[in-house]
Amino acid sequence: GAVVSQHPSRVICKSGTSVKIECRSLDFQATTMFWYRQFPKQSLMLMATSNEGSKATYEQGVEKDKFLINHASLTLSTLTVTSAHPEDSSFYICSARGQDSGKLFFGSGTQLSVL
Amino acid sequence: QKEVEQDPGPLSVPEGAIVSLNCTYSNSAFQYFMWYRQYSRKGPELLMYTYSSGNKEDGRFTAQVDKSSKYISLFIRDSQPSDSATYLCAMGLRGSARQLTFGSGTQLTVLP
Repeated sequence: GAVVSQHPSRVICKSGTSVKIECRSLDFQATTMFWYRQFPKQSLMLMATSNEGSKATYEQGVEKDKFLINHASLTLSTLTVTSAHPEDSSFYICSARGQDSGKLFFGSGTQLSVL
Repeated sequence: QKEVEQDPGPLSVPEGAIVSLNCTYSNSAFQYFMWYRQYSRKGPELLMYTYSSGNKEDGRFTAQVDKSSKYISLFIRDSQPSDSATYLCAMGLRGSARQLTFGSGTQLTVLP
């Protein structure tokens, strides 16, 4: 199956700092990428949809100035959590969708802990 | 009413049992259906993908889709402790750039 690489897998940072998470599609071109947040024992919560070369579409209640998404190429999308606070601590997952496939492939996730 | 309903469990079975996981949906426009497996603190892994009614088999896994009843199932034969995970059903529209619609996930534990 297709491979989506997500880095880092775990990050611990101080409150007020910014953290960047990368999501790469390694063997296919991803016109659309998605970013999710997941709390323990809960399902995926879609944060935003990222299309290559255009602005991301954010879900209701997600602050676009806090969660900056950049999809500069067909293989790379980044999520930057700006001025992180302890309540931003969560498991963040990206997914990528190919140009001609309905299949969605996920990264391995990033556990963010803000102290 | 949610577009996709999935029993969250938890579900515990003995090793070797046949596991049946199910989802129902309300949107008859869904055209393809997937099952994902998610281990704790990992991203979901695509297990099965199908876009037609009927059965699709892959090793110990069988995906079943009944579009007339808006009901999909995943069967796991000869379940193993390594199958212990959360299973998510997902469905989507062909040609749509929108993300998939997910069930809430069923937590499965296979006891040795």
